[in-house]
Amino acid sequence: QVQLVESGGGVVQPGGSLRLSCAASGFSFSTYGMHWVRQAPGKGLEWVTFIRYDGSKQYSADSVKGRFTISRDNSKNTVYLQMHSLRPEDTAVYFCAKESIFGVLTGFDYWGQGTLVIVSS
Amino acid sequence: DVVMTQSPLSLPVTLGQPASISCRSSQSLVYSDGNTYLTWFHQRPGQSPRRLIFKVSNRDSGVPDRFGGSGSDTDFTLKISRVEADDVGIYYCMQGTHWPPTFGQGTKVEIK
Repeated sequence: QVQLVESGGGVVQPGGSLRLSCAASGFSFSTYGMHWVRQAPGKGLEWVTFIRYDGSKQYSADSVKGRFTISRDNSKNTVYLQMHSLRPEDTAVYFCAKESIFGVLTGFDYWGQGTLVIVSS
Repeated sequence: DVVMTQSPLSLPVTLGQPASISCRSSQSLVYSDGNTYLTWFHQRPGQSPRRLIFKVSNRDSGVPDRFGGSGSDTDFTLKISRVEADDVGIYYCMQGTHWPPTFGQGTKVEIK
């Protein structure tokens, strides 16, 4: 069955960096776009960033543009989120999410369990 | 960005009774292919979201037929015909028609 397992979260100081990973299994990873979606404590869902199935295109929310970079290694079935210049408002659970067969049009059909990032001094 | 507005934000319900959540978008969600890309997710406490319904009214595999989605253009509804204890949590609508994808604020469903 489809599994998405995030790792790499933790506590980091403002201005610091962190890299999240999401290991995928149970589906043909190299044929699906992947996303990161975050959820601040007690808040709703916010789409963060996307990478095409082949890694050729990436798009990010304005709130993280220039600071966060998504990448993927299809040989390892893993997608990454490199975060720089972290701010307290980046504190959230970060979910990796798989696009459905129709792409982001029909949302995300599988989500990981999430990894918590806390930005605090 | 397209703004998704849900109401109510909190919904106390009685077991066995119906429940209804509204989701309105700031722009039409009709895509260039004629389809409308409105999705509903359910997030139980402490869990990741789960997709329930896509393209307004298509239930995902394993989703009970107690859940029904309807609507068009900018106005959408998620209905639960008879609420069960397992239905508690937060329900989010999401639009995929316009880039970037955007979510509603969420509606918290709890049992009275």
